[in-house]
Amino acid sequence: GEDVEQSLFLSVREGDSSVINCTYTDSSSTYLYWYKQEPGAGLQLLTYIFSNMDMKQDQRLTVLLNKKDKHLSLRIADTQTGDSAIYFCAESERGSTLGRLYFGRGTQLTVWP
Amino acid sequence: DVKVTQSSRYLVKRTGEKVFLECVQDMDHENMFWYRQDPGLGLRLIYFSYDVKMKEKGDIPEGYSVSREKKERFSLILESASTNQTSMYLCASSLAGYGAFFGQGTRLTVV
Repeated sequence: GEDVEQSLFLSVREGDSSVINCTYTDSSSTYLYWYKQEPGAGLQLLTYIFSNMDMKQDQRLTVLLNKKDKHLSLRIADTQTGDSAIYFCAESERGSTLGRLYFGRGTQLTVWP
Repeated sequence: DVKVTQSSRYLVKRTGEKVFLECVQDMDHENMFWYRQDPGLGLRLIYFSYDVKMKEKGDIPEGYSVSREKKERFSLILESASTNQTSMYLCASSLAGYGAFFGQGTRLTVV
């Protein structure tokens, strides 16, 4: 199966920017996704980017995609304590119509006041 | 908004019991998934289904089975619960290419 890698931990101060990085293996993935998981809850779809895009911005969130390096990042501007959560990167399965996603292990973001 | 509802938030069962985890989605999605989540291991796919009565094994199907008799409902069955099946179980549904939407999770403890 596809392999998605993320660093496990990130700590930032409130008000700073956070950048969460992810690498993936399947260059033919159509969509790449970012999910957020708060303690004790399910995963919430935060944003996604289509593979023919380089960047997508949505309020405080910026997604950058470097297809050549198979690198995806999520930047959170003006990070707040409420942004503390686990963030998962995911890629869609090659050529699949089944919608199966492959997830990284998640990055635990801790925001200090 | 898409709603994926899991029948229980917390469940405690005894070793050897047959356990049913239920999941219902209200958006007419073809695809449904069961994952388990364990610290340090991320999400691992147990089973998925792309149509009524159809099922496919994921990466860790051993000790589990599934049932999809209706499009909106996908059940995960632990035939004989064991302590190593203590975990957080997450159900999801999707339309191909549009990401998956998750339920709130069921934390299962097997004693």
